[in-house]
Amino acid sequence: ETGVTQSPTHLIKTRGQQVTLRCSSQSGHNTVSWYQQALGQGPQFIFQYYREEENGRGNFPPRFSGLQFPNYSSELNVNALELDDSALYLCASSRQGSFWSLHFGNGTRLTVT
Amino acid sequence: DQQVKQNSPSLSVQEGRISILNCDYTNSMFDYFLWYKKYPAEGPTFLISISSIKDKNEDGRFTVFLNKSAKHLSLHIVPSQPGDSAVYFCAAMSFGGANAGGTSYGKLTFGQGTILTVHP
Repeated sequence: ETGVTQSPTHLIKTRGQQVTLRCSSQSGHNTVSWYQQALGQGPQFIFQYYREEENGRGNFPPRFSGLQFPNYSSELNVNALELDDSALYLCASSRQGSFWSLHFGNGTRLTVT
Repeated sequence: DQQVKQNSPSLSVQEGRISILNCDYTNSMFDYFLWYKKYPAEGPTFLISISSIKDKNEDGRFTVFLNKSAKHLSLHIVPSQPGDSAVYFCAAMSFGGANAGGTSYGKLTFGQGTILTVHP
């Protein structure tokens, strides 16, 4: 059973740039969620995708957007990067309706300078 | 608004003793509560959960207690082992309404985490 994989593991960007983070969900999982974990904080829910549509969103501005592909993999895009976007971005997959059994990837560490 | 709080940033325990990690929440609409363990450079790993209709759930060395009237839950680890040293997150699950496509979503609200160190 293949787990959740994220790429890249680390990334450095400049304020104002755009970034794309990628996630491959665990086999058999059809729902992907993204979380942002700032230093010293717990992860915060960004949004969730199912059937290639966003079906839930946390308190994040529209410059945070995503995609889900037919193979259930997903992308997180952040436009107009700000210094406060520096964080660990976690992807988690699950089966629709079994949200309590989320499986997390190891995350992408984004640094904005 | 911090809906899930872990007020102890760190906890240090001797090997073989009990570790008790605490968590408070404010939203009475949470349906499930979960504990995750996180090592550096890894994603959170699910440990144990409890439904809001129960007050205790046990899995090996791990027991979670839920006190709904106090909006408080705790994780007990007995006996503690050095390999248990990690950051522990309490999380609460809530379910969002269905979108235009008719599907609901599940969202975890996490606490800030507690660093547990188990000394040999």
